[in-house]
Amino acid sequence: SQQGEEDPQALSIQEGENATMNCSYKTSINNLQWYRQNSGRGLVHLILIRSNEREKHSGRLRVTLDTSKKSSSLLITASRAADTASYFCAWAQTGANNLFFGTGTRLTVIP
Amino acid sequence: DTAVSQTPKYLVTQMGNDKSIKCEQNLGHDTMYWYKQDSKKFLKIMFSYNNKELIINETVPNRFSPKSPDKAHLNLHINSLELGDSAVYFCASSARTSGSPYEQYFGPGTRLTVT
Repeated sequence: SQQGEEDPQALSIQEGENATMNCSYKTSINNLQWYRQNSGRGLVHLILIRSNEREKHSGRLRVTLDTSKKSSSLLITASRAADTASYFCAWAQTGANNLFFGTGTRLTVIP
Repeated sequence: DTAVSQTPKYLVTQMGNDKSIKCEQNLGHDTMYWYKQDSKKFLKIMFSYNNKELIINETVPNRFSPKSPDKAHLNLHINSLELGDSAVYFCASSARTSGSPYEQYFGPGTRLTVT
């Protein structure tokens, strides 16, 4: 299966804490992306990391990529209630024209 | 202005009916996609068009037929709807600068309920 996995499936934290989500995939990739989905809405692109990069930052987001372990993590620092959403990783498999999505992590930030 | 729009947002219909979902993007992108998100939130690619040409056609029943009249529009027509077609359908677009897909912009989704 080309499906990857994310863990945890669900995460509940207090406002101000950090949230870490992990993604594993099974193939060689050109890039890996993270998306956020608020309830009842479409996905919003957060950050893209290329296969030759190991870490990338964007505001309160930090993404790491370990291609040898076929894994990535998304860290959200100083979480806010507005960060409550589902987060999906998606990878651009080498040679493929589309993205493959992980199973998602449901993050709840308690005010 | 909405970047990727879909209509309708909700669609409730009976088994056996035929329905269409429309998608439009005003981002000037060359590539558009249809995804299906099931009740467990798993997102799966269905189709992709690049400059009106079909480039991805995953294992989808032939009751589903995409149509791209121009590169800003990608519509999805579904014949003989079945209960298992109930899901949220997302349209997306991206600017392909090489063979690898880059960031995609998603529409708000169409929640299809087949009764």
